[in-house]
Amino acid sequence: NAGVTQTPKFQVLKTGQSMTLQCAQDMNHNSMYWYRQDPGMGLRLIYYSASEGTTDKGEVPNGYNVSRLNKREFSLRLESAAPSQTSVYFCASSETYRGTWPQHFGDGTRLSIL
Amino acid sequence: AQRVTQPEKLLSVFKGAPVELKCNYSYSGSPELFWYVQYSRQRLQLLLRHISRESIKGFTADLNKGETSFHLKKPFAQEEDSAMYYCALKGLGGNTGKLIFGQGTTLQVKP
Repeated sequence: NAGVTQTPKFQVLKTGQSMTLQCAQDMNHNSMYWYRQDPGMGLRLIYYSASEGTTDKGEVPNGYNVSRLNKREFSLRLESAAPSQTSVYFCASSETYRGTWPQHFGDGTRLSIL
Repeated sequence: AQRVTQPEKLLSVFKGAPVELKCNYSYSGSPELFWYVQYSRQRLQLLLRHISRESIKGFTADLNKGETSFHLKKPFAQEEDSAMYYCALKGLGGNTGKLIFGQGTTLQVKP
């Protein structure tokens, strides 16, 4: 019963390198989300996908791109990593066709940019 | 503007003491609020939501529209309650499921 699976769990990049964080859910949820978690800032929404085929910007989208590959998968890409993007990244999913249901989170990806 | 404020970064109490984790929100409509918890080395998970009016692990939270608050309470803290707690508000903009999170409060329950 995996729920939301994120890969990788840890990654160290050099400034300017690119990277794609992968996320997959097996709960048949229609909506998926990417957050970053920074000390004292809580969780901030980067991008979300309300349904397959749609993506929208969240609170802090600059420097990121996303792809909703299919209903299961939602990836986050850093085209040119910067030290300010050092953070813990969480993917989440939820069912939203009939009301708002709780979001289910992955274990997170700890990303360090040197 | 929609906002969630958790004024305490850290709340430290002794086992058996009452706990109140504060959450205030700003929202123009009827809010839908949640508490999420992240135990050490575990993923973030839903603790409770206000529309369910339930008690989970001894925690309760009441929506006070007059004070725009949704404080999380437990009468007797246990060591296993030590964790990071986030208050979250369902965002505007249709049925996207977007949540706005507060900054989080670390609860430390000392033996």
